Amino acid sequence: DTGVSQDPRHKITKRGQNVTFRCDPISEHNRLYWYRQTLGQGPEFLTYFQNEAQLEKSRLLSDRFSAERPKGSFSTLEIQRTEQGDSAMYLCASSFSSVSTDTQYFGPGTRLTVL
Amino acid sequence: GENVEQHPSTLSVQEGDSAVIKCTYSDSASNYFPWYKQELGKRPQLIIDIRSNVGEKKDQRIAVTLNKTAKHFSLHITETQPEDSAVYFCAARTKTSYDKVIFGPGTSLSVIP
Repeated sequence: DTGVSQDPRHKITKRGQNVTFRCDPISEHNRLYWYRQTLGQGPEFLTYFQNEAQLEKSRLLSDRFSAERPKGSFSTLEIQRTEQGDSAMYLCASSFSSVSTDTQYFGPGTRLTVL
Repeated sequence: GENVEQHPSTLSVQEGDSAVIKCTYSDSASNYFPWYKQELGKRPQLIIDIRSNVGEKKDQRIAVTLNKTAKHFSLHITETQPEDSAVYFCAARTKTSYDKVIFGPGTSLSVIP
């Protein structure tokens, strides 16, 4: 399977714990995005990388959230001191961005439940 | 800030009828507009996209139109089938600061057999 993969697919944690998610993009893609999706809503932009550089982070994103893409390949998203409001589906997408296009391919997501 | 609005939020049609979903965007510099379909419990998947130098694009039963002056674009599905039932998201690539894709809130389409 050469598509975008995410691990784990499901994560249940207690409030206050830290969690880390991993995303492996399509190999030749230069961009990697993280989104959060709650029921009935569209994907909400969190942050994205161009190769290993983190270009933008949502102003709505708490300092408890951090993401890395150390070698321009896989990425990790860490949430520290989780809160119940962090419960959501966390989607990763990758693309090969050019001047006229940025077609994103999504991974299956990691569903986070904070108890 | 950048914004994409989408209407209607829910849409129910009889099998064989057409469905139309409309979106508006705020950034006049946006140049790329993809549409995604998300079935229950699955990841969003691209179904069609359009670039700003094109006014209309068609792929079998699906078509998208773009009006740059009015900053709106629409998805048209003809001869709907039950398997078209899903949530559809429009999106626009904004060029403000670093460019990124902004998604609309989604339209839940139900096709009644």
